[in-house]
Amino acid sequence: NAGVTQTPKFQVLKTGQSMTLQCAQDMNHNSMYWYRQDPGMGLRLIYYSASEGTTDKGEVPNGYNVSRLNKREFSLRLESAAPSQTSVYFCASSEARQGFQPQHFGDGTRLSIL
Amino acid sequence: QKEVEQDPGPLSVPEGAIVSLNCTYSNSAFQYFMWYRQYSRKGPELLMYTYSSGNKEDGRFTAQVDKSSKYISLFIRDSQPSDSATYLCAMRRGGGADGLTFGKGTHLIIQP
Repeated sequence: NAGVTQTPKFQVLKTGQSMTLQCAQDMNHNSMYWYRQDPGMGLRLIYYSASEGTTDKGEVPNGYNVSRLNKREFSLRLESAAPSQTSVYFCASSEARQGFQPQHFGDGTRLSIL
Repeated sequence: QKEVEQDPGPLSVPEGAIVSLNCTYSNSAFQYFMWYRQYSRKGPELLMYTYSSGNKEDGRFTAQVDKSSKYISLFIRDSQPSDSATYLCAMRRGGGADGLTFGKGTHLIIQP
């Protein structure tokens, strides 16, 4: 009963390095999301994918790219990491029907950029 | 002004007390209102949700939404040390695949 699985759990990068954060869900959900959580800022939406084959920008997309690889997997890429991208990154998934559909979160990737 | 305001705390209360957590918001288009609980080094988990105005009760938890005041609350009765966590309010405009807008979260400590 895995739900939403994020890898890796921790990572340290140097400024300018690139990295891809992986997310997979086993609930057959259509929609997937990437958020970042910073002290004093709450969670902010980076990108989301309403369904397989579509992606849209959220509140803070600059410096990131995403790929919806298939229905299960949604990856987040940092092409040239900057210290301002030090954060905890959460992936979430949900159904995409009308009405309320809860978002289920993974346990996060803690990323430090030196 | 942020769309959703939430006092980060910490809020420290003795075991058994009634806890009141609150958020205010500025966007009148929000229709779905949620409370998530987040333990240290874990992802948020949904506690309760409410559509539009009104109250909803689930065990020791009660969620209230007052859209006229743009104010939402979560009450925890008979608080337990295991309730110690960060509580995040979240909101969404409509159904479908919209992302959530979160408050900063309130760090709650229940003292045994």
